[in-house]
Amino acid sequence: ILNVEQSPQSLHVQEGDSTNFTCSFPSSNFYALHWYRWETAKSPEALFVMTLNGDEKKKGRISATLNTKEGYSYLYIKGSQPEDSATYLCAFINTNAGKSTFGDGTTLTVKP
Amino acid sequence: GEEVAQTPKHLVRGEGQKAKLYCAPIKGHSYVFWYQQVLKNEFKFLISFQNENVFDETGMPKERFSAKCLPNSPCSLEIQATKLEDSAVYFCASSQGIQRYEQYFGPGTRLTVT
Repeated sequence: ILNVEQSPQSLHVQEGDSTNFTCSFPSSNFYALHWYRWETAKSPEALFVMTLNGDEKKKGRISATLNTKEGYSYLYIKGSQPEDSATYLCAFINTNAGKSTFGDGTTLTVKP
Repeated sequence: GEEVAQTPKHLVRGEGQKAKLYCAPIKGHSYVFWYQQVLKNEFKFLISFQNENVFDETGMPKERFSAKCLPNSPCSLEIQATKLEDSAVYFCASSQGIQRYEQYFGPGTRLTVT
């Protein structure tokens, strides 16, 4: 059983705050790491696909980094807005068959 | 289409009945994945397909679950003799590839076994 952990479990911030959370995964047999944004009653939406150690990806105010040697990825949100409120999931893929092991997510609430 | 379509949205079955769920991947996507979401944020991988070929089925409960992706038809996930613990939201996702490509999720089918 692969252990993919996300921390913190939940986060409450004020509008305008910057925040970050962590996804930890096994450092062996790395194939890819995906980040998803998931709003209640909707389907998960892909944010980033990360494949190389040292990868840094950015989409607007959201960015992510990847360290495959130590087995972690950070997701950063700069200047959080209420619409950023969602659960952020990471999924670790360790084979070329696409079998994803998901973390339990970090639920972000941004207060106006 | 440009979105992954899943039908039905909701399905209610009595324990022991059969349940069949459908997924139409985005046109041009060769890979299809099925996930089971039982608890709030817990996504469990069930099976992946490359076109009509099973790619990885290590997440599938062998006895009662089966899945197919046939040419020119929606993919399907079938549960024979449903049990209470099969109650979950079943998500389907599709992608152009495995490593470097995003997975696009459908809206899910909520299965309730009573």
